[in-house]
This record gives sequence, C-alpha cells and structure tokens, in this order.
Amino acid sequence: DIQMTQSPSSVSASVGDRVTITCRASQGISSWLAWYQQKPGKAPKLLIYTASSLQSGVPSRFSGSGSGTDFTLTISSLQPEDFATYYCQQVNSFPLTFGGGTKVEIK
Amino acid sequence: EVQLVESGGGLVQPGGSLRLSCAASGFTLSNYWMAWVRQAPGMGLEWVANIKQDGGAKNYVDSVEGRFTISRDNAKNSLYLQMNSLRAEDTAVYYCARDPMRGDGYNFDYWGQGTLVTVSS
Repeated sequence: DIQMTQSPSSVSASVGDRVTITCRASQGISSWLAWYQQKPGKAPKLLIYTASSLQSGVPSRFSGSGSGTDFTLTISSLQPEDFATYYCQQVNSFPLTFGGGTKVEIK
Repeated sequence: EVQLVESGGGLVQPGGSLRLSCAASGFTLSNYWMAWVRQAPGMGLEWVANIKQDGGAKNYVDSVEGRFTISRDNAKNSLYLQMNSLRAEDTAVYYCARDPMRGDGYNFDYWGQGTLVTVSS
C-alpha cells in the first residue's frame, strides 16, 4: 500500500497569511494526487486534482504542485472560510489512500 | 444539480449486518465509477470500495474484503454497501462519492452528506 504522510498535522495562521501544506508518498505516484478540504460536520470538497489542476469553482488562491513523492498545497492569502482540515489522496493505486490531514486553525 | 443522499446507517451489534444506500440525482449514474469512503469519529478519511459503471469491476480495502459488498442499480439511480460481520472498528460516517471520470485517477468530485454507522453492544 502507498502511505501518504502530511505535514504539519496542524498549523495556526492569520487571515492573509500564506499557508503551505506538504504531502509525501511512500513511493512515486507521478502526478496522481488530489487535495480536499473538509469543514467540521461536512463532506470533503475536492480542491485540486492531478497535483496541480484547480477543480471548477475553487478560488485561485489555492494551488498545488509537485510530482513523484513530494507535493504541496498552498493557500496564497488565507481567508476566514479556509479554516478547515485538508487531506491529500493518491488516486492511482489500490487501495486508494489519504494522508492523515492538516488542520488549519485561527491564530 | 448533482446530489448524493445516503441512508441506512444506525446502531448495530458486533457481528451484525447493515445495508447502506446512496440515492443519486442530477447526473446519469451509469456513466460514472462510484465509491464509498468512511471516516471514524475524530479521524481521517479511508477509502472503502469502488465500483465500475456496469458493476463489472469492484475494489475493496483489505480490512473489509470478504465482509462488505458494493453494488449498484443504475435503473434505480442507487449505490449500495452491504456490510456483514461488523466490528467496532467499522464505526464511522460513510460517504458515497462520485468519480468525475476525467482520466485523472480515482478522485471524488461530489460527495453525499454521510450516514453514521455505530457498531456497539
């Protein structure tokens, strides 16, 4: 199984800050990676697919990069509605696996 | 508008069975791979199973293989998860999710609101 490791597990930030979340795969996955946002009590929302493609309707302050084993999700200017937990997912090998999540909290 | 609505969750004793349903609307179910993803209380996301458009291919996470069965009825616009021999560690919110079929791997662009399954005596 491909293990997905996210860091940090939590980050405190202020509105307007630039936030970067890292996801590392235990083996190379090319660009087969997606990012999701989840708010408490809600279903996850797809933000990014194929590592860097922005899902329709997602604000452009979200961006993804990376390939192989190392990936990043960047929020260029944190907005109040961005406080949530973010998950990466490798999308190509069964079992499909998610990272452990990164909680973005208000500083 | 795409909608996925899960039902069938509840409290069940260890060793018991439960069948989850997911009603799909706003799109043609038969065109899409579909999946179940679960989330234990306070924990992260875990993919459980997925199923091809015609039901001809299915994949499962090892921890549910042989106990859970994913199925679909495209004519009824419905996805199912039959869960047998339930264990305490199966306690979770279960989401059904749609694969957008962009050829970009198995990711999920629409999710239901989830249904809670609690396995406890």
